[in-house]
Amino acid sequence: QVHLVESGGGVVQPGRSLRLSCAASGFTFTDYALHWVRQAPGKGLEWLAFISYDAVRQQYADSVKGRFIISRDSSRNTLYLQMSSLRVEDTAVYYCTREDPLGGSYAFGYWGQGTLVIVSS
Amino acid sequence: QSVLTQPPSVSGAPGQRVTISCTGSSSNIGAPHAVHWYQQLPGTAPKLLIHGNTNRPSGVPDRFSGSKSGTSASLAITGLQAEDDADYYCQSYDSSLSGWVFGGGTKLTVL
Repeated sequence: QVHLVESGGGVVQPGRSLRLSCAASGFTFTDYALHWVRQAPGKGLEWLAFISYDAVRQQYADSVKGRFIISRDSSRNTLYLQMSSLRVEDTAVYYCTREDPLGGSYAFGYWGQGTLVIVSS
Repeated sequence: QSVLTQPPSVSGAPGQRVTISCTGSSSNIGAPHAVHWYQQLPGTAPKLLIHGNTNRPSGVPDRFSGSKSGTSASLAITGLQAEDDADYYCQSYDSSLSGWVFGGGTKLTVL
């Protein structure tokens, strides 16, 4: 059974850094690309970052490019999001999600439960 | 402002049929990149509902169906049930942005 469990959220001051983790289980970690998606309170979903199955490729949304870094550790089956220069508008629930190849396209097939990040002074 | 445009809300009585539209452009839906739909129940993580424009993952009732034409896609829900009361999001890939994009979400209210 696929499980994605995020952790590392909390309250942080503007300008500071925070690292989120996503522990994966129930599947071969190195077979799948992974993403981070966030949802601000009362708002919609926003894609943030992608990392390929082999960690060779990363892509970022413009809103976080240069501030956030996505990485993965296959020895720990864990996905990370290093967030720096945090802003109030980064306040959101952060989800990790697995990209699944489904019938010729790729969709976010599995999601974690999310971890809440609050950026506030 | 989301790259993919959805109506903020739709509603319907139990048993009725509703549709949710998702309008994009030539760099995403019209490229053509596949459209996927997600259901988010209150207080929970999103769940994949439709993938590859029209396909239902196992376990998703056939009351849910997806379609796509040109730069738009639609999600149809027939035989509305109380448990369908949720937020629905369309999602695709945008070649111009080189990134994945979501619609702004549609709140479905079952009356």
